[in-house]
Amino acid sequence: DPKIIQKPKYLVAVTGSEKILICEQYLGHNAMYWYRQSAKKPLEFMFSYSYQKLMDNQTASSRFQPQSSKKNHLDLQITALKPDDSATYFCASSQQGVAYFGPGTRLTVL
Amino acid sequence: GDSVTQTEGQVALSEEDFLTIHCNYSASGYPTLFWYVQYPGEGPQLLFRASRDKEKGSSRGFEATYDKGTTSFHLRKASVQESDSAVYYCALSVDTGYQNFYFGKGTSLTVIP
Repeated sequence: DPKIIQKPKYLVAVTGSEKILICEQYLGHNAMYWYRQSAKKPLEFMFSYSYQKLMDNQTASSRFQPQSSKKNHLDLQITALKPDDSATYFCASSQQGVAYFGPGTRLTVL
Repeated sequence: GDSVTQTEGQVALSEEDFLTIHCNYSASGYPTLFWYVQYPGEGPQLLFRASRDKEKGSSRGFEATYDKGTTSFHLRKASVQESDSAVYYCALSVDTGYQNFYFGKGTSLTVIP
C-alpha cells in the first residue's frame, strides 16, 4: 500500500490559472516537505513543515502556498501559473532522520 | 549554507564495470549524509545513510564512507548491472531542531548490457 499519496499524478493547466496539489502521508510522520524537480533544478527544496507549522521556506515566490489542514496532509496551492512552473512536485515526510518521498505530481503549464 | 556537490552529471558504463560517483558537501553543523536512488516515474528512495566520520553506509552492493576530513561521501559499486540504471542523488541533513534535506544535482547512470 502506498504510504505517501499524491494527487493527481498528472496535471495540465493554462497560464494564469490556479491549482492545488494534494499530499497525504500514512507513515505517522510529523515533518512534511515539498520539493520540485525540473530539468533546470533537479531536486529543489521548497518548504518544510513540522507539526503543521512552517519551518523553512526557500521558494521565492508567494504564488506557492502550502496548506496543512490535518497532521498528515500538506497540500500545495499554486496561483497565477506560469510555464516555468512546469515540473514534477514531490511531497516527502520524515521521521528519525530519513526522508520518504511520494510518487510525485507532474505539472505541465501551457 | 548547507549544500551538496555531485561532479558527474551523466555516467555510462558497461555491465560489471566499477562505479564511482563523487559527492562533496558543505555543512554548518554535523550532517547526516545520504544516497538516494530514483527510478523513472518514481520518487527518490533511500539507498543508505551515514552520520559519523568514517562510517560506511551500504546497500545492494553500493557503498560510501563518510569522510569529514575531505567532506566527501563518494558512492562506489564494484560491478554494476543493467538494473542499476537510475538517477543517484547525494544528500545531507543537519538537525537544527528540525531537519531539512538538501540534494545534489543528481547523477544519471546508464548501464549498457
